[in-house]
Amino acid sequence: NAGVTQTPKFQVLKTGQSMTLQCAQDMNHNSMYWYRQDPGMGLRLIYYSASEGTTDKGEVPNGYNVSRLNKREFSLRLESAAPSQTSVYFCASSEGDNVQETQYFGPGTRLLVL
Amino acid sequence: GNSVTQMEGPVTLSEEAFLTINCTYTATGYPSLFWYVQYPGEGLQLLLKATKADDKGSNKGFEATYRKETTSFHLEKGSVQVSDSAVYFCAPPASPGGYNKLIFGAGTRLAVHP
Repeated sequence: NAGVTQTPKFQVLKTGQSMTLQCAQDMNHNSMYWYRQDPGMGLRLIYYSASEGTTDKGEVPNGYNVSRLNKREFSLRLESAAPSQTSVYFCASSEGDNVQETQYFGPGTRLLVL
Repeated sequence: GNSVTQMEGPVTLSEEAFLTINCTYTATGYPSLFWYVQYPGEGLQLLLKATKADDKGSNKGFEATYRKETTSFHLEKGSVQVSDSAVYFCAPPASPGGYNKLIFGAGTRLAVHP
């Protein structure tokens, strides 16, 4: 089992460019999440998907869109990148959306927007 | 919604020293509480959790007791090792019931020296 995988590992964009961060899990989990991690601020939830076919906004959704392509995959898209979106992005999944569920994290994508 | 306050770091200890990382939270009801750990260059992984008041979570020599009277979930370890060097995150749910959305503290960086 690979767990949660993310691509790419590292990306440099220019302001205004677009890109999609990919995430996949092989644990047959129903719920998936996208977080960003900035220095001194912990992790903040961008979007989540409680189950296949549903998505909802988290704490910091502005400037992002998501697609739950199927049960395995949950992508995050930046339509017009801004320097404020320079961050490390983590995808996570959990078996269900109950608050007692453990979340499993991918290794992260480091994004630099110039 | 709920909130979390976590001890600021960095914390620097010598090997075999005692570790305490404080975490307090505000929440409605008695949510599950989690400690996640992030080793250098990796995503977060669950360290331990407690699902009800007075419950003690433990793993890898780490312990944390869910104390409803003081709304605290402090992380402790009796004898730290160099391999424990990482960033530790306290994470209660963002809101009672509902979806599995966690709120993460800013993280406490631990550095253990031989």
